[in-house]
Amino acid sequence: NAGVTQTPKFRVLKTGQSMTLLCAQDMNHEYMYWYRQDPGMGLRLIHYSVGEGTTAKGEVPDGYNVSRLKKQNFLLGLESAAPSQTSVYFCASRDDWALHFGNGTRLTVT
Amino acid sequence: GESVGLHLPTLSVQEGDNSIINCAYSNSASDYFIWYKQESGKGPQFIIDIRSNMDKRQGQRVTVLLNKTVKHLSLQIAATQPGDSAVYFCAENHGLAWGKLQFGAGTQVVVTP
Repeated sequence: NAGVTQTPKFRVLKTGQSMTLLCAQDMNHEYMYWYRQDPGMGLRLIHYSVGEGTTAKGEVPDGYNVSRLKKQNFLLGLESAAPSQTSVYFCASRDDWALHFGNGTRLTVT
Repeated sequence: GESVGLHLPTLSVQEGDNSIINCAYSNSASDYFIWYKQESGKGPQFIIDIRSNMDKRQGQRVTVLLNKTVKHLSLQIAATQPGDSAVYFCAENHGLAWGKLQFGAGTQVVVTP
């Protein structure tokens, strides 16, 4: 049971480039989330999904898009990366009691 | 605005001693609280949770205490071990759209031999 798997683990982008972060979960959870974590700050919710084909905005959605075409996958896209998007990104899925997090993607935008 | 915060950014504890990590919250509507542990290079890991209708909940070597009067949450770790070295986050849920948790900035716990 792999839990929540994020790819890639590390990425460096130049300003203006685009990329997609992939999150996969094998626990059959309906709810999935994307967070960003910055030094000295708590995790902040970017977007979330309450089921296949649905997405919703979180606390800091600007500059990001998401898709949930399959229940097990939740994609986070950056269309035009900016240095302010340098961060560690965490995906999570939810069971009845708690969020289960992946190990993160460290993204640097230069 | 409403926020969740931690009193101490770094806590140094001697191996074998008990650790107490504190968290203040300001939203009186919060009904569910969770503690997470995050080791370097890994995602947050669920430790223990507590609902607002409870004052105390115990797990394996961990106890969470909730004081709604002063809006304070604490995590106690008994007989702290080197493997307990990590950043600990508290998070609160306001009862809306579960999973949209408000996270604190975290406390770094360092266990010394």
